[in-house]
Amino acid sequence: DAGVIQSPRHEVTEMGQEVTLRCKPISGHNSLFWYRQTMMRGLELLIYFNNNVPIDDSGMPEDRFSAKMPNASFSTLKIQPSEPRDSAVYFCASSLRGGGTYNEQFFGPGTRLTVL
Amino acid sequence: AQSVTQLGSHVSVSEGALVLLRCNYSSSVPPYLFWYVQYPNQGLQLLLKYTSAATLVKGINGFEAEFKKSETSFHLTKPSAHMSDAAEYFCAVSDRGNQFYFGTGTSLTVIP
Repeated sequence: DAGVIQSPRHEVTEMGQEVTLRCKPISGHNSLFWYRQTMMRGLELLIYFNNNVPIDDSGMPEDRFSAKMPNASFSTLKIQPSEPRDSAVYFCASSLRGGGTYNEQFFGPGTRLTVL
Repeated sequence: AQSVTQLGSHVSVSEGALVLLRCNYSSSVPPYLFWYVQYPNQGLQLLLKYTSAATLVKGINGFEAEFKKSETSFHLTKPSAHMSDAAEYFCAVSDRGNQFYFGTGTSLTVIP
């Protein structure tokens, strides 16, 4: 299996621009998570989906952030407009919930976002 | 509610010495417990997991962890540190639902 795939791996943009991060979960997984990691705040859960439905978005910092999962094999995290404080590494993770599994999450390599 | 506390945000050990990274958890239900490792510029990788079978769990790269219910702990150990073990380590607890609760991480430095 290819694992969780994220694109782009690096993104540099200017303040005010729209940023879209993409994630392809592991095939067959039914849960998907978006995290943000910074030195100051550590690893933060932003939102997660079960069977393509958003379950908990309480970690989304502001209305500037939005996430979608149109199908089981694709999700996006969008920031519009972006601000310098959004600079971080954004991780996508997926897991298989139920069916005798232990829900361990598998992480993608992350997208390093820099907002100038 | 579930939570994880990792004692010590930075740990330094000499190469060949014992590695001990501490994790204490709080859970209202019997938990699943995990240790993840993050190498520089990479995502998190599962090291090992406790799922209510054996209390001593062996993982990859010679790491192991022991679940101690009485102490609500799940400390990670390795008998002999290697330079390649330098990384960030995260403890996590799951309430057997869908959500993980990660600790704040411990950065391990290995001194040659």
